[in-house]
Amino acid sequence: GENVEQHPSTLSVQEGDSAVIKCTYSDSASNYFPWYKQELGKGPQLIIDIRSNVGEKKDQRIAVTLNKTAKHFSLHITETQPEDSAVYFCAASKEGSARQLTFGSGTQLTVLP
Amino acid sequence: GAVVSQHPSWVICKSGTSVKIECRSLDFQATTMFWYRQFPKQSLMLMATSNEGSKATYEQGVEKDKFLINHASLTLSTLTVTSAHPEDSSFYICSARTGTGVLDEQFFGPGTRLTVL
Repeated sequence: GENVEQHPSTLSVQEGDSAVIKCTYSDSASNYFPWYKQELGKGPQLIIDIRSNVGEKKDQRIAVTLNKTAKHFSLHITETQPEDSAVYFCAASKEGSARQLTFGSGTQLTVLP
Repeated sequence: GAVVSQHPSWVICKSGTSVKIECRSLDFQATTMFWYRQFPKQSLMLMATSNEGSKATYEQGVEKDKFLINHASLTLSTLTVTSAHPEDSSFYICSARTGTGVLDEQFFGPGTRLTVL
């Protein structure tokens, strides 16, 4: 089955700096890669996703890049703010009737004011 | 984005009792819902996939007789933890898929914190 590895497990940055979180996946058939933000005691929120037919997607301060050949994708957050502090999860899935997500282990991002 | 609700948000029960958790898609019809379990500082682990009108598909290692899932309608799925024990204490999260096509997305509920005494 699919295996998703995520690094780093913790990341501290100064407010205004950029943060980058990286994930690798094992199943070359995977073609959908969402990123979720989870605040303490809450469910994950979809913040951005990318499909395998594109290499990069951007939404304001958040961007995701995908390298299908290397089987890795990354989340980039620019101009970080304290409210960006949370746990971020990457995930991967592939076409199918269920499209089950396989999650990475999560990254605790702390933005220091 | 689409909204998924869960009820209750937290529950405390005695060992041996059963607890039902509801998951609703509020503004869309979800043919597929998923149930996850998350322990503190860990990732989400898929427990089962639930399709409306059919039996749920459980992941390996998940006891189907202990975690009963009913997907009665296109907007409601329930998870019942039967004869709960302290080791069942966890954060249970459901998600719902917005469609069946290539452009569908998966949205998560706010989670239910279960504490079994």
